[in-house]
Amino acid sequence: QKEVEQDPGPLSVPEGAIVSLNCTYSNSAFQYFMWYRQYSRKGPELLMYTYSSGNKEDGRFTAQVDKSSKYISLFIRDSQPSDSATYLCAMVVGNEKLTFGTGTRLTIIP
Amino acid sequence: DTGVSQDPRHKITKRGQNVTFRCDPISEHNRLYWYRQTLGQGPEFLTYFQNEAQLEKSRLLSDRFSAERPKGSFSTLEIQRTEQGDSAMYLCASSSRASSYGYNEQFFGPGTRLTVL
Repeated sequence: QKEVEQDPGPLSVPEGAIVSLNCTYSNSAFQYFMWYRQYSRKGPELLMYTYSSGNKEDGRFTAQVDKSSKYISLFIRDSQPSDSATYLCAMVVGNEKLTFGTGTRLTIIP
Repeated sequence: DTGVSQDPRHKITKRGQNVTFRCDPISEHNRLYWYRQTLGQGPEFLTYFQNEAQLEKSRLLSDRFSAERPKGSFSTLEIQRTEQGDSAMYLCASSSRASSYGYNEQFFGPGTRLTVL
């Protein structure tokens, strides 16, 4: 079993919809929880990271962490075609190596 | 642009050949990471350096793989006797000095796409 599980999708939603992306993990030592966005044939770019359980908001994006359930989520409000990409959750103990999920490929349909 | 750069961006080679990739991190970033990403998967950790010291190597890094960061600046990743299973995107990332507080973001380069025929 992988340390981080993520539904690979693909996921297609109409423009303007709310998107929900999720990951579960098994390693309780993970301290930081990240969401990266990766466009085709590009490197991942960090969207948000959180440390503690709860919500963190940045514009149209909200990251949610539930450490008791070992479950993290990313919500995208008012989705735009430019949000079409692969979304990777990642986790880390301290400032060491990142452990990624498989990524969810998201398409926003105009 | 002062981001992480990787060279080459694409490499096609025949099975059994040796290949070498280069990564130039963001200036003054002391940590440098290598990851490998295959199609439909998330990146997997290979190895990382703090300055010129290689601190950790994944079990994925067989003895055909070697990485160096000779002066604590750029890094090279060499694959000897390439196999078709080595076909992947090789990503490099760098981060600033590890802090006792907070997370030090890893900034990724564009990757080197390797195809082994």
